[in-house]
Amino acid sequence: NAGVTQTPKFQVLKTGQSMTLQCAQDMNHEYMSWYRQDPGMGLRLIHYSVGAGITDQGEVPNGYNVSRSTTEDFPLRLLSAAPSQTSVYFCASSRQGRLAGRETQYFGPGTRLLVL
Amino acid sequence: DQQVKQNSPSLSVQEGRISILNCDYTNSMFDYFLWYKKYPAEGPTFLISISSIKDKNEDGRFTVFLNKSAKHLSLHIVPSQPGDSAVYFCAASELGEYGNKLVFGAGTILRVKS
Repeated sequence: NAGVTQTPKFQVLKTGQSMTLQCAQDMNHEYMSWYRQDPGMGLRLIHYSVGAGITDQGEVPNGYNVSRSTTEDFPLRLLSAAPSQTSVYFCASSRQGRLAGRETQYFGPGTRLLVL
Repeated sequence: DQQVKQNSPSLSVQEGRISILNCDYTNSMFDYFLWYKKYPAEGPTFLISISSIKDKNEDGRFTVFLNKSAKHLSLHIVPSQPGDSAVYFCAASELGEYGNKLVFGAGTILRVKS
């Protein structure tokens, strides 16, 4: 098993550009989520999904869109990048959707994004 | 307003000694707590967890203590090893509608000196 994979590892964007951060898992997990990590702020939940076709907002959803058309993939879209979105982004998955807060979440290696 | 707080940004400990990492929370609805460990350029990995029905959970060198009345938990690492040097995140979740969301603290950088 590859676990949770993320691409790209690093990306530089100009303000106003759009891009999609990719996340895939091969563990047949129901739950997938996106976090951003900023200095002094820890990891903050952006969006999450408890199964294919079901997504919901986390703590900091503004400026980001998600969709979940398959169990394996959970892409994160930045429609118009802003410098405030400079961060490290982590995708995570866990087995059950409703109990995700009580289960081990498996994190990907992260995508470092710089918006100029 | 941060619901999970790790007030010590960093901690330095000698190899073989005990490391104690602290975490405070404000939301009384939190009933499950987890610790994650993160090395540079990697994603966090799960370390240990505790339910609010317990006050202690142990796994090898790692023990988590929960004091519900004080809304405080701590992670003890005994003995500390250089390979334990990492960022440690405390996280919490609540029962019910929001049970699938984790709230993380800001993290504590642990350095174990050999």
